[in-house]
Parts: sequence; C-alpha cells; structure tokens
Amino acid sequence: QKEVEQDPGPLSVPEGAIVSLNCTYSNSAFQYFMWYRQYSRKGPELLMYTYSSGNKEDGRFTAQVDKSSKYISLFIRDSQPSDSATYLCAMRRQAGTALIFGKGTTLSVSS
Amino acid sequence: KAGVTQTPRYLIKTRGQQVTLSCSPISGHRSVSWYQQTPGQGLQFLFEYFSETQRNKGNFPGRFSGRQFSNSRSEMNVSTLELGDSALYLCASSLGDSHYEQYFGPGTRLTVT
Repeated sequence: QKEVEQDPGPLSVPEGAIVSLNCTYSNSAFQYFMWYRQYSRKGPELLMYTYSSGNKEDGRFTAQVDKSSKYISLFIRDSQPSDSATYLCAMRRQAGTALIFGKGTTLSVSS
Repeated sequence: KAGVTQTPRYLIKTRGQQVTLSCSPISGHRSVSWYQQTPGQGLQFLFEYFSETQRNKGNFPGRFSGRQFSNSRSEMNVSTLELGDSALYLCASSLGDSHYEQYFGPGTRLTVT
C-alpha cells in the first residue's frame, strides 16, 4: 500500500461547479498537509497548508483534514476554467522529513 | 521577492553521461529539497539540504547526489545517466526548521537518449 493515495481522475466539471479532491494516507504520523496546483510544464504551486485536523479556507478553496480517518480534502467553489490543472496532495511528519506526494488528480473545468 | 529558479530549464544527455542541475532558493530560505517527477511514479523525494548539510535522503541510488552552498544555492548531480532518469527535476525551498511549506521552482526537464 502506498503511503498516500490519490485518484488520478481525470475529473471534468462545468464552470461554476463545486469540486472535491481527496487523498487518503496510511501513516498516522503525518501532521502537516499541503495542496499544490500544477499547470502543464510548470512547477507545483502551493495552494493550501494545514496542520493536524480541521478546516482552512482561503477564497474559493477549503482544505479539510480528518486525521481519525486519514483523509484530506480540497474543495474548490465556483470553479473556473483557469482552475484546470493537476492537483497534488502532500504531507510530512515533521521538519526535516520528506514531503510525500500523491500522484495528483487532473481537473478540467469547461466554460 | 523572486521565486525559486532552476537552470537549465531543458537538457538532453546521452546514456552514460553525467549532469549537474542548479537551484537558487527564495531569498532567506535555508532549506532546499529536490524531487524527481515522472508520469509513472509522480513526485518522488530525492534529498533535502539545510544549512549545507544533507538532512534527509530518499530511496534513490548513489548516482544521485547533491550539495548546498553557503548562500543556500544547491546543485544536484546524476552520474552514469540511464534512460529511466528522464524526468522533470524539481527543486523546492522553505525557510527552515519550523516552516513546513515548500515552494517549487519551474523544474529542469532532463531527457536521456
């Protein structure tokens, strides 16, 4: 079993839809959780960062962490064509440890 | 503030050669990590440097090595290139010990023929 599992998609939605992206993980020691967005031929861009369980909101984006279920989510409200990209979840135990990534979910938002 | 920069952006090498990639972190960032990204394996951690010391290493063969300089700039080297080393090599920087967010550069696309 991989440490971090993420459905690769592709996920196709119409403009304005609410998008839900998810990752599950097996290592209960993970404490720091991140979501990155990667456009084609670009490096990943940090979208959201959360520590331990709970929710964090930033504009149209909401990140949720449920450590009891080892499950994290990223919600995108009012999705736009510019949100079309690959979304990667990432997590780490503590400083100085490797950041472990999911394989990414490809999202396409059509206008 | 300038982001993470990586040079070169594209590179074509022949099997058996060696290659050196360079990364300049965001000003003030002391930690630099390197990742390999391929369609099959996704993003895989290579190593992390903090204050010129390798702090962590992923599960890659010894042909992959790196170093960090006193100005936090980092280089990674791959010797005896194999076809399977073709990938996007990404560098990420962070402030340091208690800061967990990493910021990525655009990557170096390495093609081994």
